[in-house]
Amino acid sequence: KQEVTQIPAALSVPEGENLVLNCSFTDSAIYNLQWFRQDPGKGLTSLLLIQSSQREQTSGRLNASLDKSSGRSTLYIAASQPGDSATYLCAAPENTGFQKLVFGTGTRLLVSP
Amino acid sequence: GAGVSQSPSNKVTEKGKDVELRCDPISGHTALYWYRQSLGQGLEFLIYFQGNSAPDKSGLPSDRFSAERTGGSVSTLTIQRTQQEDSAVYLCASSLAGTGKQFFGPGTRLTVL
Repeated sequence: KQEVTQIPAALSVPEGENLVLNCSFTDSAIYNLQWFRQDPGKGLTSLLLIQSSQREQTSGRLNASLDKSSGRSTLYIAASQPGDSATYLCAAPENTGFQKLVFGTGTRLLVSP
Repeated sequence: GAGVSQSPSNKVTEKGKDVELRCDPISGHTALYWYRQSLGQGLEFLIYFQGNSAPDKSGLPSDRFSAERTGGSVSTLTIQRTQQEDSAVYLCASSLAGTGKQFFGPGTRLTVL
């Protein structure tokens, strides 16, 4: 059974810092891994999806890497801004297929001006 | 284009009542998912529809929960005889078959008094 863990649970940084969020998963036979952002009281916004054949994906100031052999993914946020404040969730599929996503408990990020 | 929409955005009900939650997926998306997000449990998979195939109901927590998808588009999640532990945010997502990238709606916040 897939289990996903995220550390740290919370992170507070001043504006402008580069930061790394960590995600680990127990079953490395995954099709892909997704990173999401959730603002308070809102749904999830997909940030990046990394296919199993890829090692990283980039979108603007965000870069996500995937190391299946070690069961780890990282989300790197460059030059953080107050608007980046949100909860970041990673999700990996159950090993029965990519339909069911198993989510980590998230990292709550606060970027102070 | 329009994203995934859900209604109602908030629902308050009394214990023992039945509730229906609605999801309108992105047009053309053949896959539809329901998840539940509750304090202490994080985000958990409930049910998955793909085209005309039988749905994967393996995440439904009890037989009080059911879902249907009419015409391969709109889906309704029904909770019968609601209990206080059913209080949560119910999220719907959709995706194109084979892509694995799920797009989430804003959710329905259910409160059972």
